[in-house]
Amino acid sequence: DAGVIQSPRHEVTEMGQEVTLRCKPISGHNSLFWYRQTMMRGLELLIYFNNNVPIDDSGMPEDRFSAKMPNASFSTLKIQPSEPRDSAVYFCASSGTKETQYFGPGTRLLVL
Amino acid sequence: AQSVSQHNHHVILSEAASLELGCNYSYGGTVNLFWYVQYPGQHLQLLLKYFSGDPLVKGIKGFEAEFIKSKFSFNLRKPSVQWSDTAEYFCAVNALNTDKLIFGTGTRLQVFP
Repeated sequence: DAGVIQSPRHEVTEMGQEVTLRCKPISGHNSLFWYRQTMMRGLELLIYFNNNVPIDDSGMPEDRFSAKMPNASFSTLKIQPSEPRDSAVYFCASSGTKETQYFGPGTRLLVL
Repeated sequence: AQSVSQHNHHVILSEAASLELGCNYSYGGTVNLFWYVQYPGQHLQLLLKYFSGDPLVKGIKGFEAEFIKSKFSFNLRKPSVQWSDTAEYFCAVNALNTDKLIFGTGTRLQVFP
């Protein structure tokens, strides 16, 4: 099994630009989670999906952030427009029903 | 609301020392408990988990954790640490009625040769 796949692994962009992060969960997993990790705030859950439906988006910082899961094998997290304070590592994780979450390698985002 | 407390923010040990990292959670119902490890520059990896059964759980790399329900604790232990255990350790809990994991703030472990 390839595990959770995220792309890109690194992203450097300028303030105001749109950023799209991508995630492919482990095949057969029905829950998908987006996290953000920073030194200041630690690991934060942004949003999670179950069977492609958003269940809890209370962690999404503001309207500039949006996430979609058009099918069971793909999800995106979009930031538009991006700001320097969005710089962080963004992790995607997936799990089966009520089971262990497996994390992807993360996307390191730097907004200049 | 559920919460997870990791009281040790930064632990520094010499190789071969014993390790115990504290984790307490607040939730009165049945829970699943996890320890994840994050090596420098890498993603979180599962170290061990407790769903039910024997409260003493053994994980990878010689780690173990003990679930003490009366104390709402799930402390992580290792009898003899190695330099390669240098990493950040996260405790997490989820209630059985949700897929959401609540993470602690993490404990940074530094092991010196």
